[in-house]
Parts: sequence; structure tokens; C-alpha cells
Amino acid sequence: RKEVEQDPGPFNVPEGATVAFNCTYSNSASQSFFWYRQDCRKEPKLLMSVYSSGNEDGRFTAQLNRASQYISLLIRDSKLSDSATYLCVVNVGGTALIFGKGTTLSVSS
Amino acid sequence: NAGVTQTPKFRVLKTGQSMTLLCAQDMNHEYMYWYRQDPGMGLRLIHYSVGEGTTAKGEVPDGYNVSRLKKQNFLLGLESAAPSQTSVYFCASSYGTSGRLNTQYFGPGTRLTVL
Repeated sequence: RKEVEQDPGPFNVPEGATVAFNCTYSNSASQSFFWYRQDCRKEPKLLMSVYSSGNEDGRFTAQLNRASQYISLLIRDSKLSDSATYLCVVNVGGTALIFGKGTTLSVSS
Repeated sequence: NAGVTQTPKFRVLKTGQSMTLLCAQDMNHEYMYWYRQDPGMGLRLIHYSVGEGTTAKGEVPDGYNVSRLKKQNFLLGLESAAPSQTSVYFCASSYGTSGRLNTQYFGPGTRLTVL
């Protein structure tokens, strides 16, 4: 089983739609969790950290379910500029981050 | 404040040639990382460093060497390039390793093609 698994998509949605991405991780000792965003041919950038109680940043909401080893990202009122690949990232302790392969989102007008 | 920079941005090598990729950060981060990103594979850690003068192997270290002689710089070397090393290479740095301290900041990447 892959350490961090994501649905690769692509997710094709119209502007204004709500879209949710899911991610599962295999290591129950995982300590911290993140969502990164990567635009085409660019470097990954931190979108948001994911906290146990769930957290929100504007139109973005992240949830963590440790029992099910599951992370989600919800994007409300999608914008054209949200088109990107979203990477689920897990830290299992120590220095290394484990990256999922990413979920591609395409928002159209 | 430039963040993380990488040179060169693009490079084409012939099999067997050598090269060094340079990563520099101006955020005074202790931790630095080299990743490669291949289609369908996601980001994979090659080597990392937990401070000046230290290096450690990541998930895919074979065929690469690294050095961290100065805190702000992390060099990735390919001694004898192979076509399997064709990839996009990203450098990253972080302040620490726990929680939000492990937020990694990435450079713009180096696109390497080995013929």
C-alpha cells in the first residue's frame, strides 16, 4: 500500500462549484499533515496545514480523521485560479515529508 | 528576500557527464532537501541535510551525492549522469521538523534531461 494515496483526478468543475479531495495515509504514527498546491511546471507551495480539529482558510477547509487515517480538502466557490494540482503531504516524524502524487483540479468558466 | 533559489533552471547532459545543481536559501533554515519529481511518481526525497556539514540519504539516493559546506547552500551532484536521472529537481528548506516548523519552502526547480 502506498504511504499517501490520492485520487489523481482530474476533477473538472465549473466556476462557483464546491469540490472535495480525499487522501489516505498508511502510517498511523504520522504526526503532521499538509496540503500543498502545485501549478503547472512550478514548485509546490504550502496551501495549508491540517489540524486535528479541522481548519479553515477562506474558501478552503481541511479535515483530519486520525482513526480512519484520512485527510480531506474542501474548496468552496471555485475560481479559475484554483486550477492546479493539490498535493497531500504527511510527516511521519523526523525530517521527511511524504508526498502524495497529487490531485489535478481544472476549473472552467 | 529571495527565498530558495536554484541554478541552473534547465540543463541537457549526455550520458556519463557530470554536473552540480546549486540550491541557496536566505531564510536561515537549518534543514534542506533535494527531491526529484517524475510523471506519475510524485516527489521523492533524494538527500537531505539537518544542518551545516551534515547530509543524509533519502528515498532515492543512488547516483547522487550532496554537500552542505555552508548553511545557506546545498549542492546536488551527479557524477555520471544516466537517462533515468532525467527529471525535475526541486530543492527545499525548512526551519525545523515538527509541525508547522516543517513547512518546506521550495525552489523553482531544475529541469534536467540526460540523453
